[in-house]
Amino acid sequence: EAGVAQSPRYKIIEKRQSVAFWCNPISGHATLYWYQQILGQGPKLLIQFQNNGVVDDSQLPKDRFSAERLKGVDSTLKIQPAKLEDSAVYLCASSLFRNGNPYEQYFGPGTRLTVT
Amino acid sequence: KNQVEQSPQSLIILEGKNCTLQCNYTVSPFSNLRWYKQDTGRGPVSLTIMTFSENTKSNGRYTATLDADTKQSSLHITASQLSDSASYICVVSAMMPTGGFKTIFGAGTRLFVKA
Repeated sequence: EAGVAQSPRYKIIEKRQSVAFWCNPISGHATLYWYQQILGQGPKLLIQFQNNGVVDDSQLPKDRFSAERLKGVDSTLKIQPAKLEDSAVYLCASSLFRNGNPYEQYFGPGTRLTVT
Repeated sequence: KNQVEQSPQSLIILEGKNCTLQCNYTVSPFSNLRWYKQDTGRGPVSLTIMTFSENTKSNGRYTATLDADTKQSSLHITASQLSDSASYICVVSAMMPTGGFKTIFGAGTRLFVKA
């Protein structure tokens, strides 16, 4: 079974520039998550999709971050414009939805973003 | 407030030794608790998942315990290996009043295994 795919793996941009990350979840996984992980901290949920609908985006800085999951499969996360504090690893995860419970989450390798 | 606290923040042990990592949570109503291992530069990988009725679960040299009454969990690593050097993250899911689920991540314990 193929895992969660993410690209790019690394990205370096200057502040105020824009950047986009791509995620392809495990086939058949209805739930998709984007996390931000700052060095030395645990992942922080940015947005959760159930199919192509948003379940939770309460911690997404909507003035600069946006995400979409067209057709309920692949997803993109965009930052525009980037700030220095956005430097982090952006993790994508997916999971099945069993009996109303989002079960085991499978994580991609992440995209390491450096904003200079 | 739903929180997950892990201790210690970091730990150094010698290869072959055992260690125990702690996780305390205030998440309710509790749904499940998971332990993840995250190698440097990689995404987290699940080690164990426990629901309310389970109080212990093993995965090779990793054994997780759960005390739902005291809201504590531990991850015990037996006969540590150099490859166990990683961050170990405790994750707790709670059922929301709206019927959905909220997942709270701990900050992790950074384990260093030395030869």
